Amino acid sequence: GNSVTQMEGPVTLSEEAFLTINCTYTATGYPSLFWYVQYPGEGLQLLLKATKADDKGSNKGFEATYRKETTSFHLEKGSVQVSDSAVYFCALGAGGGNKLTFGTGTQLKVEL
Amino acid sequence: DAGITQSPRHKVTETGTPVTLRCHQTENHRYMYWYRQDPGHGLRLIHYSYGVKDTDKGEVSDGYSVSRSKTEDFLLTLESATSSQTSVYFCAIRDREYNEQFFGPGTRLTVL
Repeated sequence: GNSVTQMEGPVTLSEEAFLTINCTYTATGYPSLFWYVQYPGEGLQLLLKATKADDKGSNKGFEATYRKETTSFHLEKGSVQVSDSAVYFCALGAGGGNKLTFGTGTQLKVEL
Repeated sequence: DAGITQSPRHKVTETGTPVTLRCHQTENHRYMYWYRQDPGHGLRLIHYSYGVKDTDKGEVSDGYSVSRSKTEDFLLTLESATSSQTSVYFCAIRDREYNEQFFGPGTRLTVL
């Protein structure tokens, strides 16, 4: 079946540091890939997506590239801010109904 | 804002009692989903619907049933709640044009 593995947290960074959150997946066929963000006490917000190999999704300074050869979709940001502190979820969408399979989430804490 | 509301937002109930959670959408999306979020598991799909009276099981459907009698409402029922069903429940809709899922604010359910 489909699965998503992402790096365990929590990840603690200083403001303006470079961020990488690793995500790898296992899937049959050609899934779409997503990053969602969850701020404390809130629901999930779609951060970015990619629908085919070599696509790059980007939003709010975050980027991720769909790498079919390494089955990866790592999230990056060049300079994090305190306001980026949240839990980040990698997910793949596939199959009838485009059901989402999520990773376990990575908590990011950014300090001054 | 994808026009999704969930009710109630918080509920505490006792083991063995029935519970119904409601998801309401205002944008006439065909696909709707119920997920549960638990620490260490990310989000897992319970059931989804692809139209009025059309539903299918997800990864963790045991102990749950759903109904969709109108496009705008998707109900999740725990026939006899157990402590293992203590969780945060999220409803989602799928924007078919962009193949993206958008989430409601969540319902925190505690089963004592």
